[in-house]
Amino acid sequence: DTAVSQTPKYLVTQMGNDKSIKCEQNLGHDTMYWYKQDSKKFLKIMFSYNNKELIINETVPNRFSPKSPDKAHLNLHINSLELGDSAVYFCASSQDDGSTEAFFGQGTRLTVV
Amino acid sequence: GENVEQHPSTLSVQEGDSAVIKCTYSDSASNYFPWYKQELGKRPQLIIDIRSNVGEKKDQRIAVTLNKTAKHFSLHITETQPEDSAVYFCAASPRSSNTGKLIFGQGTTLQVKP
Repeated sequence: DTAVSQTPKYLVTQMGNDKSIKCEQNLGHDTMYWYKQDSKKFLKIMFSYNNKELIINETVPNRFSPKSPDKAHLNLHINSLELGDSAVYFCASSQDDGSTEAFFGQGTRLTVV
Repeated sequence: GENVEQHPSTLSVQEGDSAVIKCTYSDSASNYFPWYKQELGKRPQLIIDIRSNVGEKKDQRIAVTLNKTAKHFSLHITETQPEDSAVYFCAASPRSSNTGKLIFGQGTTLQVKP
């Protein structure tokens, strides 16, 4: 059983398109995150949700909109994709507010052409 | 804002040697410091963590030390093996902003040469 799973694993799309990445965790965790990993491997937090409520929204363009239908799911929708959005996006979850282990999904490699 | 600095960015060692990676953090209220290993094309996975009430923690060939006064913590890998080759990330959980998140260092690419 995969603890944190995200789909798709690979996503190639043209500039200007709208796409979504889905994430689900079966660990019963209260907090879920989206991280962006750029070409230099830097992991930067984008959003954090706790029990379906947004608690962190870092400096991310408003083209990125997270949606949490329940505490086991946190999806990421991206509008009007740009070349600079190309990166690996990781979903993660943790039991509480970040002071325990974060479990990562396998990542979604987004390539905008 | 909160910041975590990690050095070196790349590290190459001979199999059997030790490797040390160092991180400094800016938020003195941070209380949780995990280390993640990311193999090529894989997800980051926790290898060891330490809390602010502990100065050192060891798990087989891996150890982490924390100096709260200096606001730095280090990862030590002894008797390195080729399978230790990966990118290693330190992280800190800042408390001053009262939000839940981990701030990651820039990563260290460790290469263990057979």
